[in-house]
Amino acid sequence: EAGVAQSPRYKIIEKRQSVAFWCNPISGHATLYWYQQILGQGPKLLIQFQNNGVVDDSQLPKDRFSAERLKGVDSTLKIQPAKLEDSAVYLCASSARSPGYQETQYFGPGTRLLVL
Amino acid sequence: RKEVEQDPGPFNVPEGATVAFNCTYSNSASQSFFWYRQDCRKEPKLLMSVYSSGNEDGRFTAQLNRASQYISLLIRDSKLSDSATYLCVVLNDYKLSFGAGTTVTVRA
Repeated sequence: EAGVAQSPRYKIIEKRQSVAFWCNPISGHATLYWYQQILGQGPKLLIQFQNNGVVDDSQLPKDRFSAERLKGVDSTLKIQPAKLEDSAVYLCASSARSPGYQETQYFGPGTRLLVL
Repeated sequence: RKEVEQDPGPFNVPEGATVAFNCTYSNSASQSFFWYRQDCRKEPKLLMSVYSSGNEDGRFTAQLNRASQYISLLIRDSKLSDSATYLCVVLNDYKLSFGAGTTVTVRA
Protein backbone atom coordinates (compact mmCIF):
# COMPACT_ATOMS: atom_id res chain seq x y z
CA GLU A 1 0.00 0.00 0.00
CA ALA A 2 1.40 3.38 -0.96
CA GLY A 3 1.91 5.81 1.87
CA VAL A 4 1.14 9.49 2.21
CA ALA A 5 2.98 11.47 -0.45
CA GLN A 6 4.15 15.04 -0.02
CA SER A 7 5.99 17.51 -2.20
CA PRO A 8 8.25 19.30 -2.30
CA ARG A 9 10.50 17.69 0.31
CA TYR A 10 12.48 20.86 0.87
CA LYS A 11 11.80 24.52 0.23
CA ILE A 12 13.83 27.64 0.93
CA ILE A 13 12.17 31.02 0.49
CA GLU A 14 12.64 34.57 1.64
CA LYS A 15 10.28 36.18 4.09
CA ARG A 16 7.17 37.71 2.57
CA GLN A 17 7.25 35.22 -0.31
CA SER A 18 4.52 32.66 -0.90
CA VAL A 19 4.84 28.89 -0.79
CA ALA A 20 2.54 25.93 -1.36
CA PHE A 21 2.77 22.33 -0.25
CA TRP A 22 0.96 19.36 -1.73
CA CYS A 23 -0.26 16.16 -0.09
CA ASN A 24 -1.73 12.97 -1.50
CA PRO A 25 -3.17 10.78 1.28
CA ILE A 26 -3.43 7.03 1.38
CA SER A 27 -6.06 5.88 -1.09
CA GLY A 28 -9.49 5.73 0.47
CA HIS A 29 -8.59 7.67 3.60
CA ALA A 30 -11.37 10.09 4.44
CA THR A 31 -9.54 12.28 6.92
CA LEU A 32 -6.52 14.42 6.13
CA TYR A 33 -4.45 16.50 8.52
CA TRP A 34 -1.81 19.17 8.19
CA TYR A 35 0.64 19.57 11.07
CA GLN A 36 3.44 22.03 11.70
CA GLN A 37 6.47 20.70 13.56
CA ILE A 38 8.97 23.29 14.74
CA LEU A 39 12.42 22.00 15.66
CA GLY A 40 12.42 20.53 19.15
CA GLN A 41 8.63 20.44 19.42
CA GLY A 42 5.93 17.92 18.70
CA PRO A 43 3.64 18.25 15.68
CA LYS A 44 0.89 20.84 16.06
CA LEU A 45 -2.37 20.36 14.17
CA LEU A 46 -3.09 23.18 11.73
CA ILE A 47 -6.17 21.87 9.95
CA GLN A 48 -8.21 18.68 9.64
CA PHE A 49 -10.41 17.71 6.70
CA GLN A 50 -13.11 15.07 6.63
CA ASN A 51 -13.48 14.30 2.92
CA ASN A 52 -13.45 17.83 1.47
CA GLY A 53 -14.94 19.62 4.47
CA VAL A 54 -12.99 21.36 7.23
CA VAL A 55 -13.47 19.74 10.64
CA ASP A 56 -11.00 21.80 12.67
CA ASP A 57 -8.89 24.78 11.70
CA SER A 58 -8.75 26.45 15.10
CA GLN A 59 -4.94 26.58 15.13
CA LEU A 60 -4.48 27.69 11.54
CA PRO A 61 -3.15 31.28 11.29
CA LYS A 62 -5.80 32.29 8.81
CA ASP A 63 -4.29 35.67 8.05
CA ARG A 64 -1.47 33.93 6.18
CA PHE A 65 -2.23 30.22 5.94
CA SER A 66 -4.87 28.59 3.77
CA ALA A 67 -5.63 25.02 2.85
CA GLU A 68 -8.00 23.20 0.60
CA ARG A 69 -8.89 19.64 -0.24
CA LEU A 70 -10.66 19.58 -3.53
CA LYS A 71 -12.66 16.46 -4.37
CA GLY A 72 -11.80 14.99 -1.00
CA VAL A 73 -8.46 13.56 -2.09
CA ASP A 74 -5.33 15.71 -2.57
CA SER A 75 -4.74 18.77 -0.45
CA THR A 76 -2.64 21.91 -0.67
CA LEU A 77 -1.42 24.13 2.15
CA LYS A 78 -0.37 27.67 1.29
CA ILE A 79 1.49 30.33 3.23
CA GLN A 80 1.24 33.89 1.99
CA PRO A 81 3.26 35.86 3.02
CA ALA A 82 5.78 33.73 4.89
CA LYS A 83 7.44 34.84 8.11
CA LEU A 84 10.70 33.69 9.66
CA GLU A 85 8.80 31.80 12.38
CA ASP A 86 7.11 29.65 9.73
CA SER A 87 10.37 27.70 9.33
CA ALA A 88 9.34 24.18 10.24
CA VAL A 89 8.49 20.77 8.87
CA TYR A 90 4.96 20.57 7.49
CA LEU A 91 3.57 17.09 7.91
CA CYS A 92 0.53 15.72 6.17
CA ALA A 93 -1.24 12.72 7.68
CA SER A 94 -4.30 10.69 6.81
CA SER A 95 -6.58 8.22 8.53
CA ALA A 96 -9.31 5.97 7.30
CA ARG A 97 -12.06 7.58 9.36
CA SER A 98 -12.43 10.49 11.71
CA PRO A 99 -10.17 10.16 14.75
CA GLY A 100 -11.77 7.48 16.82
CA TYR A 101 -10.80 5.44 19.79
CA GLN A 102 -7.88 3.69 18.16
CA GLU A 103 -7.65 5.39 14.81
CA THR A 104 -4.14 5.41 13.42
CA GLN A 105 -2.81 8.42 11.56
CA TYR A 106 -0.23 7.76 8.86
CA PHE A 107 2.23 10.55 8.22
CA GLY A 108 3.95 11.59 5.05
CA PRO A 109 7.68 12.39 4.96
CA GLY A 110 7.04 16.11 5.43
CA THR A 111 8.14 19.29 3.69
CA ARG A 112 11.02 21.11 5.34
CA LEU A 113 10.54 24.86 4.96
CA LEU A 114 13.25 27.38 5.67
CA VAL A 115 12.29 31.04 5.58
CA LEU A 116 15.24 33.44 5.30
CA ARG B 1 0.06 24.70 30.84
CA LYS B 2 0.85 22.50 27.85
CA GLU B 3 -1.64 19.76 27.01
CA VAL B 4 1.07 17.11 26.97
CA GLU B 5 4.42 17.42 28.73
CA GLN B 6 7.40 15.13 28.45
CA ASP B 7 10.90 14.95 29.86
CA PRO B 8 12.96 15.80 26.77
CA GLY B 9 15.90 13.65 27.89
CA PRO B 10 18.14 12.66 26.32
CA PHE B 11 18.25 9.24 27.89
CA ASN B 12 21.58 7.73 26.98
CA VAL B 13 21.64 3.99 27.76
CA PRO B 14 23.81 0.99 26.88
CA GLU B 15 22.51 -1.85 24.75
CA GLY B 16 20.54 -4.31 26.81
CA ALA B 17 19.52 -1.78 29.43
CA THR B 18 15.99 -0.90 30.48
CA VAL B 19 14.83 2.67 30.04
CA ALA B 20 11.56 4.21 31.15
CA PHE B 21 10.04 7.65 30.88
CA ASN B 22 6.72 9.36 31.47
CA CYS B 23 4.52 12.03 30.12
CA THR B 24 1.74 13.98 31.80
CA TYR B 25 -1.43 15.36 30.24
CA SER B 26 -3.63 18.20 31.41
CA ASN B 27 -7.12 17.22 30.24
CA SER B 28 -8.70 14.67 32.57
CA ALA B 29 -11.34 13.93 29.92
CA SER B 30 -8.77 12.76 27.36
CA GLN B 31 -10.09 9.79 25.47
CA SER B 32 -7.16 7.80 24.15
CA PHE B 33 -3.42 7.65 24.46
CA PHE B 34 -0.60 6.61 22.20
CA TRP B 35 3.14 6.47 21.85
CA TYR B 36 4.58 7.47 18.48
CA ARG B 37 8.19 7.04 17.45
CA GLN B 38 10.04 9.61 15.36
CA ASP B 39 13.48 8.90 13.93
CA CYS B 40 15.79 11.78 13.15
CA ARG B 41 14.48 13.78 10.17
CA LYS B 42 11.66 11.28 9.62
CA GLU B 43 7.92 11.34 10.13
CA PRO B 44 6.22 10.08 13.31
CA LYS B 45 4.98 6.50 13.28
CA LEU B 46 2.61 4.82 15.70
CA LEU B 47 4.50 2.66 18.17
CA MET B 48 1.61 1.50 20.30
CA SER B 49 -1.69 2.48 21.81
CA VAL B 50 -1.95 2.72 25.58
CA TYR B 51 -4.78 0.86 27.28
CA SER B 52 -6.16 1.49 30.75
CA SER B 53 -4.96 -1.86 32.03
CA GLY B 54 -1.48 -1.40 30.60
CA ASN B 55 -0.18 -3.31 27.62
CA GLU B 56 2.94 -4.85 26.16
CA ASP B 57 4.23 -5.12 22.64
CA GLY B 58 7.40 -7.18 22.64
CA ARG B 59 10.03 -5.26 24.58
CA PHE B 60 7.78 -2.23 25.01
CA THR B 61 5.38 -1.76 27.92
CA ALA B 62 2.96 1.14 28.22
CA GLN B 63 1.06 2.14 31.33
CA LEU B 64 -1.72 4.64 31.91
CA ASN B 65 -2.55 6.25 35.24
CA ARG B 66 -5.74 8.25 34.80
CA ALA B 67 -5.87 9.38 38.42
CA SER B 68 -2.49 11.05 38.17
CA GLN B 69 -2.85 11.82 34.46
CA TYR B 70 0.38 10.28 33.29
CA ILE B 71 1.48 7.72 30.75
CA SER B 72 4.68 5.75 30.79
CA LEU B 73 6.74 3.79 28.32
CA LEU B 74 9.30 1.19 29.29
CA ILE B 75 11.76 -0.36 26.87
CA ARG B 76 13.45 -3.58 27.95
CA ASP B 77 16.65 -5.03 26.48
CA SER B 78 17.35 -1.86 24.50
CA LYS B 79 18.63 -2.21 20.95
CA LEU B 80 20.64 0.28 18.93
CA SER B 81 17.62 0.56 16.65
CA ASP B 82 15.52 1.88 19.55
CA SER B 83 17.38 5.19 19.32
CA ALA B 84 14.70 7.72 18.44
CA THR B 85 12.42 10.39 19.84
CA TYR B 86 9.31 9.01 21.51
CA LEU B 87 6.24 11.22 21.26
CA CYS B 88 3.46 10.98 23.83
CA VAL B 89 0.12 11.58 22.13
CA VAL B 90 -3.29 12.23 23.64
CA LEU B 91 -6.67 12.26 21.91
CA ASN B 92 -8.99 15.09 22.99
CA ASP B 93 -12.23 15.83 21.16
CA TYR B 94 -11.07 13.77 18.17
CA LYS B 95 -7.87 15.80 17.90
CA LEU B 96 -4.39 14.47 18.65
CA SER B 97 -2.10 16.52 20.87
CA PHE B 98 1.58 15.66 20.74
CA GLY B 99 4.23 16.11 23.40
CA ALA B 100 7.60 17.50 22.39
CA GLY B 101 9.16 14.06 22.66
CA THR B 102 11.69 12.19 24.76
CA THR B 103 14.96 11.39 23.03
CA VAL B 104 16.52 8.01 23.66
CA THR B 105 20.00 7.10 22.50
CA VAL B 106 21.15 3.50 22.84
CA ARG B 107 24.92 3.07 22.68
CA ALA B 108 26.91 -0.04 21.84
